[in-house]
Amino acid sequence: DTAVSQTPKYLVTQMGNDKSIKCEQNLGHDTMYWYKQDSKKFLKIMFSYNNKELIINETVPNRFSPKSPDKAHLNLHINSLELGDSAVYFCASSRLSLAGGSTDTQYFGPGTRLTVL
Amino acid sequence: DAKTTQPTSMDCAEGRAANLPCNHSTISGNEYVYWYRQIHSQGPQYIIHGLKNNETNEMASLIITEDRKSSTLILPHATLRDTAVYYCIVFYNQGGKLIFGQGTELSVKP
Repeated sequence: DTAVSQTPKYLVTQMGNDKSIKCEQNLGHDTMYWYKQDSKKFLKIMFSYNNKELIINETVPNRFSPKSPDKAHLNLHINSLELGDSAVYFCASSRLSLAGGSTDTQYFGPGTRLTVL
Repeated sequence: DAKTTQPTSMDCAEGRAANLPCNHSTISGNEYVYWYRQIHSQGPQYIIHGLKNNETNEMASLIITEDRKSSTLILPHATLRDTAVYYCIVFYNQGGKLIFGQGTELSVKP
């Protein structure tokens, strides 16, 4: 069984379109994250949710809107896609909340490669 | 913010120990050192973490200097499947964020 899964694995779309990436974890974790890895391979946190509540928002453009229908899911919706949004997006989860000052291992999904044409 | 410094790349012969260094000279007393790796086209994978004491698990050992300003990740018997980018991360509990640097690209060669 996959611990953290993402769909789709690949996403190719035109500029200006709206798209969503889905993430699910079956680990019973309370906290989920979205990271972006750009072409230079730098991995940066975008958002974090703890029990469906937003706790980290790293000055990401408001075209990006995470949605957490329940604590096992954290979806990423992107409006008006731009060329610079092309990247690999990783979802992750952990048992505890990093923003709460505790430490915990993060488990990452396989990534979604988004290409904006 | 405390930062980590790692060599950009390293080579290691298969079957030998791989020793990956990391400098974190501005680490504060309650900040942890984490190591993750990313095998090509996959999501990052947790390896090990520590605060002050040396740590060992089934994947690796973590040696932290007494002043905590540097650490070394040791893969005792590197295999070709250990070829990956290894990230040393200092956990900032004030900000609650794991910040990934550029990492060390480890190539294990036959």
